[in-house]
Formats: sequence, C-alpha cells, structure tokens
Amino acid sequence: QVKLQESGPGLMKPSETLSLTCDVSAYSITSGYFWGWIRQPPGKGLEWIANIYHSGSTYYSPSLQSRVTISLDTSKNQFSLSLTSVTAADTAVYYCARVGVRGVVDSWGQGTLVTVSS
Amino acid sequence: QSALTQPASVSGSPGQSITISCSGTRSDIGGYNYVSWYQQHPGKVPKLIIYDVSDRPSGVSNRFSGSKSGNTASLTISGLQAEDEADYYCSSFINRNVLFGGGTKVTVL
Repeated sequence: QVKLQESGPGLMKPSETLSLTCDVSAYSITSGYFWGWIRQPPGKGLEWIANIYHSGSTYYSPSLQSRVTISLDTSKNQFSLSLTSVTAADTAVYYCARVGVRGVVDSWGQGTLVTVSS
Repeated sequence: QSALTQPASVSGSPGQSITISCSGTRSDIGGYNYVSWYQQHPGKVPKLIIYDVSDRPSGVSNRFSGSKSGNTASLTISGLQAEDEADYYCSSFINRNVLFGGGTKVTVL
C-alpha cells in the first residue's frame, strides 16, 4: 500500500517561496503514475496545482503555472513543489497525491497546513 | 479551463436516494470517461469513491453509483445513511490536468 507524507514550513510570510516535499513509501515513483499536488483553502474546495509524470514530464494549473515548479528526486523517492511569491490567498492544506493515467487520485497524503501571514 | 459545476448542497432523509450533478463541457466531461468522485468528511483526507464515471474501488459501498450523460456526470447515493454526510467532489482529467468541481455538501436530515 503506497504511502505519501508531506513536509513543509507551516507558517510563512508574504512574498516568500513555499517549498513542500512528499515522501513516498512502498512504491517507486519511477515505476509509473503521475505524482501531484492539490490544495484546499480553509473551508473551501479542492484545487489541483500540478502533476509530474514518472518520466519527469510536468503539467501545471493555468492559474498557478507562472509561480509553480514540481520536480522529482528519484534518489530519495520524493517529489517536491515550489510556489513563489506567496500571499494570504495561498493559505491552504496542501496534499500530495498519486494520480493515475486517467486522472484518478487513488492515494493522498495526510495534508500539511501552510499559513501565509505577516 | 473552468472548474466543474456542482450544486453547493444536497440533502435527504435516511434511506432516501440523492443525486449530485457535475456539469462540464464537451472538452472535459463530455469528451472522455475520465470522471472521478471523492468523499471528504470534515477534517479528513478526500477518499476516492468512483472512477472512470461509474467504477467503484474495492471496499466502497455499492450504495454509491456514478453515471454520465453528455457533459454532465452524476453521483447517486442510495439508501442514504448518517455516515454519508460529507462533502463530495467530482473531477475530470483533460490534457493531463486534473479539474475539480466546487464541491457539494450532503446533509442527512
């Protein structure tokens, strides 16, 4: 059973760059699937941020693509997200996830709350 | 690409059936059978309950069923139970991008 675990800063200030890492266990990220990030602002719905294919191809939400980078670290079986110039609107629970080739999110991390506040 | 459109809330009494709609376009829902549904209880991680329009993952109750007609997908919960009270999200997959609906809060009266 694949397991995903996010790690991140918790609290940030506006204009900083958010860096999140997802540790994947019990499955090699190079074996298949997309690996993605999804966020959920407090009390609001789910928003997809980005996917990276096991081969390294990347796909970004049009609304965030100017600020987002997703990457794989195959040596550590991890993938990461970078989001630049954060504002209060980026406050959310950030989930890392495994995404199937038909867009099925079949495994989720527990989520990490990132709060942007001055 | 715009978010998929779901009703903000749906309610029903125990034992009843309810249906949640998810409207998209011919480019997303209408064009492919890549529709998934997720259930999220308060403070919990979303859980996959339907994929590929109408398939259920192992372990998901057969009270949950999915369908699609044209550009609209639907999730039906039969025999509504108190534990079904949660938020439900539809999603589609287009150009390797995941598109979510705004979510529907299901209330069991």
